[in-house]
Amino acid sequence: GAGVSQTPSNKVTEKGKYVELRCDPISGHTALYWYRQSLGQGPEFLIYFQGTGAADDSGLPNDRFFAVRPEGSVSTLKIQRTERGDSAVYLCASSQPLGGGKADTQYFGPGTRLTVL
Amino acid sequence: AQSVSQHNHHVILSEAASLELGCNYSYGGTVNLFWYVQYPGQHLQLLLKYFSGDPLVKGIKGFEAEFIKSKFSFNLRKPSVQWSDTAEYFCAVGSGNTGKLIFGQGTTLQVKP
Repeated sequence: GAGVSQTPSNKVTEKGKYVELRCDPISGHTALYWYRQSLGQGPEFLIYFQGTGAADDSGLPNDRFFAVRPEGSVSTLKIQRTERGDSAVYLCASSQPLGGGKADTQYFGPGTRLTVL
Repeated sequence: AQSVSQHNHHVILSEAASLELGCNYSYGGTVNLFWYVQYPGQHLQLLLKYFSGDPLVKGIKGFEAEFIKSKFSFNLRKPSVQWSDTAEYFCAVGSGNTGKLIFGQGTTLQVKP
C-alpha cells in the first residue's frame, strides 16, 4: 500500500473488554513499531518487531498487552481486560530493514483512537 | 534511561517571524535524531533527521536543525514561518540497536496570519 494503515480508526469499548487493533505496514518494511500517545504527550514506545519476532517489548506496560505479527507483515495489538487508563491513540510505524545499527526513518499510520468507558 | 525534553509547550508566532524550538536529549550512546510534525487532522510525518556527518541538517518546507553534541541539543529552526506551519512538533531520539524512538512531549506551534 501507499502508506501504513490502521484499523479501526476509532474504537469505543467498556472497561474489562478485550480489543484488537490492526496495523498494515508499508510493503517490504520488515521493521514494525507500536506506540501509544496520550493527550498532550509524545508517542511512547510499546513494542518492536523485526520480521515475525518481537525484538523489543520493553515498552508494554503490563501483561494485559500483547502483540503479534505471524507472517511478518500485518500486526495486531491485543489488550485484555481494558482499563480506563488504556484510553489513548495507538500508533503503528514501519521502516526499512535496519543496517549497521542505524535507525531508519519510521513512517507512521493515522492511529487508532481507543476510548475505554 | 533515555529521555527527550522539549522546552516550549506552546508557541504563538505571527507570519514571517523566525522560529526556534528547543530539544535536549539524554542518551549515552550514538544518537540518531529526528523531528516529526503532525498537522491538524493528519498523521506524524518526518521533517528531518540526523544520523552522522554535517551537524546542520535541512529538511522539508524550509526547516533545519543543528546537532550540538556538547549541549545534547537538536534545535529546530525556520527563518520565516507561514500560517501553514501551524502544527505539533515532536523531537525524538532513536536507539541504535532497535530503532525505537523516544519522543519529547511535543510543542504546539500556532502561526497567526
